[in-house]
Amino acid sequence: GAVVSQHPSWVICKSGTSVKIECRSLDFQATTMFWYRQFPKQSLMLMATSNEGSKATYEQGVEKDKFLINHASLTLSTLTVTSAHPEDSSFYICSESSASGSLDTQYFGPGTRLTVL
Amino acid sequence: DAKTTQPNSMESNEEEPVHLPCNHSTISGTDYIHWYRQLPSQGPEYVIHGLTSNVNNRMASLAIAEDRKSSTLILHRATLRDAAVYYCILSVYNFNKFYFGSGTKLNVKP
Repeated sequence: GAVVSQHPSWVICKSGTSVKIECRSLDFQATTMFWYRQFPKQSLMLMATSNEGSKATYEQGVEKDKFLINHASLTLSTLTVTSAHPEDSSFYICSESSASGSLDTQYFGPGTRLTVL
Repeated sequence: DAKTTQPNSMESNEEEPVHLPCNHSTISGTDYIHWYRQLPSQGPEYVIHGLTSNVNNRMASLAIAEDRKSSTLILHRATLRDAAVYYCILSVYNFNKFYFGSGTKLNVKP
């Protein structure tokens, strides 16, 4: 399957600062990437859909001004958590997908652990 | 969005087959059935997916009921490395959003 990387794998920041998380498709040109959030002992929650060259589509209840998503190329999508607060501490995971060909499923990155102090 | 229902947890003995069930009674004709598994502090790992016919790959088999309202993931010989949370997810072809349910936590005993 496709290979997805995330950077950083973990980050600790102070409350009020912004944090950028990168999601890279290493061997595939991903027209669509997804961002998820997972709190401890809970399932993954879809935050937004990121399409290359266009604005991201956010799920209901997700603040688009707080979670900025940029998908400027077919291999890179970034999630910026702006003015982070302790309640934003979570495990953030991206995935890639393509609507063309046989790749009608998603491949996930290893995740980024964010801790806001 | 079509929902899936899975048991919260299951237990298996090492080297025995495991059948993980998933109910999806509201599935529509264009919904694919995907299975992923997740280890602690890792991203979900793709296991298998299918539409109507049963599917096999090197990791597992997917048995889909004739009415498609349920499916079963089959691990033919469980190993300790198979201990994980297994998620059954539905998605519409070409509109590939995933809404995760709570999954089944599989414990494999040596």
